[in-house]
Amino acid sequence: KAGVTQTPRYLIKTRGQQVTLSCSPISGHRSVSWYQQTPGQGLQFLFEYFSETQRNKGNFPGRFSGRQFSNSRSEMNVSTLELGDSALYLCASSEVWLSREDTEAFFGQGTRLTVV
Amino acid sequence: AQSVTQLGSHVSVSEGALVLLRCNYSSSVPPYLFWYVQYPNQGLQLLLKYTTGATLVKGINGFEAEFKKSETSFHLTKPSAHMSDAAEYFCAVSGGNAGGTSYGKLTFGQGTILTVHP
Repeated sequence: KAGVTQTPRYLIKTRGQQVTLSCSPISGHRSVSWYQQTPGQGLQFLFEYFSETQRNKGNFPGRFSGRQFSNSRSEMNVSTLELGDSALYLCASSEVWLSREDTEAFFGQGTRLTVV
Repeated sequence: AQSVTQLGSHVSVSEGALVLLRCNYSSSVPPYLFWYVQYPNQGLQLLLKYTTGATLVKGINGFEAEFKKSETSFHLTKPSAHMSDAAEYFCAVSGGNAGGTSYGKLTFGQGTILTVHP
């Protein structure tokens, strides 16, 4: 079974630009979550999608948005990039978000975004 | 609301020594607890998890953790460290499938970097 795939792995953008990151979950998984990882703030939850609906959202400004497609693939978008948006963005997939004791969240390798 | 505190941002041990990484949590609902490991420029790999049942949980690579509700702790141990254990370790808590603000959300500690000396 293929794991969670995030593309691209590395990205360099200029302040003020926008960026779109992609996440393909494990086949059969319908829940996709996004996290931002920085040295200062650690791992922070951005949002979660399930069956194309956002069910939960973290404390990030509206510049951060996402969506999920019918095949469960998800994208996140950051508009008007700021230097502080430089981070590793991680995606996690789960069948139905820990619906049973034997389910878990699987993480992708992340997209390293650098804003210059 | 949920939170996780990992005591010690850096832990250094000798190869063959006991590894002990500390984690304390707070949660308003019965917690699901996890330990993840991250190698440089990689994603997170699950080491072990506690959801319900036995409070001593065994994971991969010889790691185990014990859920102690009275102490709100979930410390990670390994009897004998190996050089390949050098990485960053994260403790995380989730409300499981309790709904609402639990969906998709893992709340992580700040991480502990484990260094293993030969």
